[in-house]
This record gives sequence, structure tokens and C-alpha cells, in this order.
Amino acid sequence: AQTVTQSQPEMSVQEAETVTLSCTYDTSESDYYLFWYKQPPSRQMILVIRQEAYKQQNATENRFSVNFQKAAKSFSLKISDSQLGDAAMYFCAYEVNAAGNKLTFGGGTRVLVKP
Amino acid sequence: EPEVTQTPSHQVTQMGQEVILRCVPISNHLYFYWYRQILGQKVEFLVSFYNNEISEKSEIFDDQFSVERPDGSNFTLKIRSTKLEDSAMYFCASSRDRGFYNEQFFGPGTRLTVL
Repeated sequence: AQTVTQSQPEMSVQEAETVTLSCTYDTSESDYYLFWYKQPPSRQMILVIRQEAYKQQNATENRFSVNFQKAAKSFSLKISDSQLGDAAMYFCAYEVNAAGNKLTFGGGTRVLVKP
Repeated sequence: EPEVTQTPSHQVTQMGQEVILRCVPISNHLYFYWYRQILGQKVEFLVSFYNNEISEKSEIFDDQFSVERPDGSNFTLKIRSTKLEDSAMYFCASSRDRGFYNEQFFGPGTRLTVL
């Protein structure tokens, strides 16, 4: 069974600074996708960034970037120039390229941004 | 921007009662999902649904659960005889198609409390 682990329950960052959230996963599949979702307080989850397993190049989306280490099964998220609006729960998720499209989530990391 | 909506936002029910959680997916989406999150635990996949059939379901999704798309807009999750352990946040999601570039869009969730 696939598992996703986020070892940091909470991270705090100063506004304009950088924070890195860790995520590791366990799988025997070769064709899969990885995602980071953001859930602001009392709001729905929204996709922040995604990565295909067969692509070695790390994905970037504006201030968000990932460090994908396939051999180590690691998928960390870096938030640069942190803003107050980045405060949220962040979930790492994994999806096998298969019929059901189910997402397997990590336990989440709460990001606090200090002004 | 189109959003997934869910009603009610909070439902309180007595153990043994039936509940129906409602979702309106984004209108041109074809794939639908239910997830749940028990307080303090991970978001867990329940079921995926396409072309009026279940594509995949988890071990959690036993005979007490059912899903339906009764019309062209709603997607429902029914729990026939609720148990205390069904208390959780239930999230609906939808995607236009399968695959990496078709992200799942999540609703805000329904908090189910079973007394």
C-alpha cells in the first residue's frame, strides 16, 4: 500500500523568508504523480503544484517549487518570499496513474507566517 | 471561477440514522470523488465515480455507503446507518478527466457529527 508521510506537523516562517516542507512516500509503482495542496482556514483545498514521477526536472509555480528526489522517494515544497496569505495547512498527495485516480494524502503541515 | 459546493456545511445526526451529503461538482467535470478526514487524522479516499459507475473504492466504503448522481448536477454520498466512527469531515471533489493535467477540485466539506 502506498503511504505518504509529512514529518512536520507545524512550521513557522517570517514574512518574506523561505520555508521548506518535507514529504516522503512509499510506493512500488513507477508511473505516478505527486501534488501539494493548500487548505486555508475554513476554505477548500486548492492545488499548489504538481510533479510527474518520470520528469526529473523539479516543478515550479511562481514562489512555490519542489525538490523531487525519486530514488529517495522525497518530495519537498519550498515557499519563497512567504506572504501572510500562505498561512494554511499544506498536504502532500500521491496518485497512481490508474483507473480510480485516488489521491493518497499525508497528514499535513500547518504553516504559520509571522509578520 | 467555478467551484465545487457541498451542503450542508454541518450535519448532526443520531447513531443509526441515514444521512445524505450533497455535492455539486463543477459543471463540465466527469469524474467525482468522496474523501473524508476524521479529526486529527489524514484525508482518506472513499470512492471515485465515472459514467454512473464506481471506478474505485476503499476498504472504508463498505455496504453502509453508497453514491449516486441523481441528476445532471448533484453527486451524493449516503450513509445508511451512521456509526459514531463516521463522524468526520467529508470532502467532495471533481475533475474534468483523468490524468496528470486534470486536477481534482475540492469542495469546502461537510462536517458530520454522529451522536
